[in-house]
Amino acid sequence: RKEVEQDPGPFNVPEGATVAFNCTYSNSASQSFFWYRQDCRKEPKLLMSVYSSGNEDGRFTAQLNRASQYISLLIRDSKLSDSATYLCVVNFRGTNAGKSTFGDGTTLTVKP
Amino acid sequence: GAVVSQHPSWVICKSGTSVKIECRSLDFQATTMFWYRQFPKQSLMLMATSNEGSKATYEQGVEKDKFLINHASLTLSTLTVTSAHPEDSSFYICSAVSSTETQYFGPGTRLLVL
Repeated sequence: RKEVEQDPGPFNVPEGATVAFNCTYSNSASQSFFWYRQDCRKEPKLLMSVYSSGNEDGRFTAQLNRASQYISLLIRDSKLSDSATYLCVVNFRGTNAGKSTFGDGTTLTVKP
Repeated sequence: GAVVSQHPSWVICKSGTSVKIECRSLDFQATTMFWYRQFPKQSLMLMATSNEGSKATYEQGVEKDKFLINHASLTLSTLTVTSAHPEDSSFYICSAVSSTETQYFGPGTRLLVL
């Protein structure tokens, strides 16, 4: 079983749709959580950190459930520019502090 | 957000040559930097962890003598692909870890070995 698992998709949605991505992690010692987006042939870029209380940034909402070891990302009112691969990233404590484990990514295509 | 640069952005070289890639954190100091490789339509694969002032830690299956890493300062890490071969052709990406344990990625280096 992978340490960080994501639904690979692809998710094909029309503009304006709401879409949710899920991510599960297996290591209960996980310390911090992030969502990154990666455009084709580009480097990953930080989208948002994920906090236990949940956090929102414009059209994006991230949730963390430590008990279920589950992270989600909700995108409202999808734009064409949201088309990308979304990576779930988990950092661990201790000797691996700062070392991240990446999910394989979920591909989103927003269509007109 | 924090800025990380990589140089060069792309390289084409002959088989057998060595290629050096630089990763710099421009507006923060990074004790730790990571080097990744990504093949087309695949996820990022961590190659090694670069720690300033100490030897790099390599992931299983990554040859330390082939991929030489030097973390010379808190803002610079270099990856040298020695005796490159066509199978080393890939997208190499570095990241630098901020004080909040957030990774910021460089723009990547595309290596093509002929």
